[in-house]
This record gives sequence, C-alpha cells and structure tokens, in this order.
Amino acid sequence: EDKVVQSPLSLVVHEGDTVTLNCSYEVTNFRSLLWYKQEKKAPTFLFMLTSSGIEKKSGRLSSILDKKELSSILNITATQTGDSAIYLCAVKTGANNLFFGTGTRLTVIP
Amino acid sequence: NAGVTQTPKFRILKIGQSMTLQCTQDMNHNYMYWYRQDPGMGLKLIYYSVGAGITDKGEVPNGYNVSRSTTEDFPLRLELAAPSQTSVYFCASSKMVGSSYNEQFFGPGTRLTVL
Repeated sequence: EDKVVQSPLSLVVHEGDTVTLNCSYEVTNFRSLLWYKQEKKAPTFLFMLTSSGIEKKSGRLSSILDKKELSSILNITATQTGDSAIYLCAVKTGANNLFFGTGTRLTVIP
Repeated sequence: NAGVTQTPKFRILKIGQSMTLQCTQDMNHNYMYWYRQDPGMGLKLIYYSVGAGITDKGEVPNGYNVSRSTTEDFPLRLELAAPSQTSVYFCASSKMVGSSYNEQFFGPGTRLTVL
C-alpha cells in the first residue's frame, strides 16, 4: 500500500529560527514529490522534485529529494510569522496518482 | 478507519455526459472539500462544506454541483462534461474546532478524462 509520512506532526519555533520538515514515502513507481503550503483552504504549490540530490530554492525555502532514502526535506531559514501554515508533502506515482501525507503544522511565534 | 474514500478511480466521459464523483469519510470530520489538479498545476478548490446541509463555492465552481446531506458523504456532480474538466479530482476532509485550522486528509483521487 502506497503511503507518505511526514514528521514532525507539529512544530513551534520563534521568528528567525531555521526549521527542517521531513517527508518519507513508500510507493510503487515513484514519479515525483511535491511540497505544498496550506494556510486557509487550498494548498499552494511550493516545489516539485524528480531528481535526487538537486536542491530547489525559492527565497528562504529550499527542498531536496533523496531517492535512496525515499525521503525529502523542506528547509525554511529565518522563519517569519507568515510561514505559519500546514506543509503538505505529496508523491506522484506512475499511475499518475497523488498520495498526500497529513502534513506538518508549523507555528512561528514572534 | 478507512479515512477518505473516493469512487471511481478512473472514468472516461463523452462531452455532454453527466456523472457523480463519490466521496466518503469515516472520521466524523465536519469540513469536506473538492479539489481538482490539472497537469503541472497546484490544487484548486471547487467547493467545500462546513457541515451537513451547508456548501460553498471555491475558486473554480463553474460546471460542478455538490450536496452534503450527511456528515460522511460529499458527492461532486458534473452535469454537462466538457474537455476542460479533464483533471484529477481530490476529496479531502478536516476537523475544525472553533477557529482552529486542522490538517486535511485527502482521498486517493479520481482521474477523469472527457473526450
């Protein structure tokens, strides 16, 4: 059975801290891994990773995929209160299905 | 718990046909959502419901209808299928307590092709 597991489930940090969110997966026929940020209703897309070891960056956010370890991390440096959200990891498989983890809730305290 | 289940997993429709995508959750969640995901795009909210008998439009509601007669079920109806509705549809649910926002649990998706 395909599954995606995220850790930690929740995290509380102070502004300026750096955080690392984890996503591990067990799926058949892996195609890509996606990260989303969810604040209100619909998640917003952050990154799509298909190749191992290549870091993707967007401002203070970065992410990397490790296909050997079947995992990915999402890093946020110099966190701000606006980073408070639920971060979702999803894995796309060869059947073009998308399997979501339940997310990591990040709270950034001023 | 089965979590969020969706049926069917795949469907091909002809232009103008109608169909209902089924979604059921057994977690007693009050909030339920329907999203679509087009290739290379993020999720877009179609409709959502905050409880039985209450539904509201999301970003892209045109061409769809929903109902929420029970807490468990949130079917999505396409009345006149169009090629633009070719997408993967995800149903999700979450437990809202007061104003606190909680994690959404997603179903496995329904792949719909309209030809």
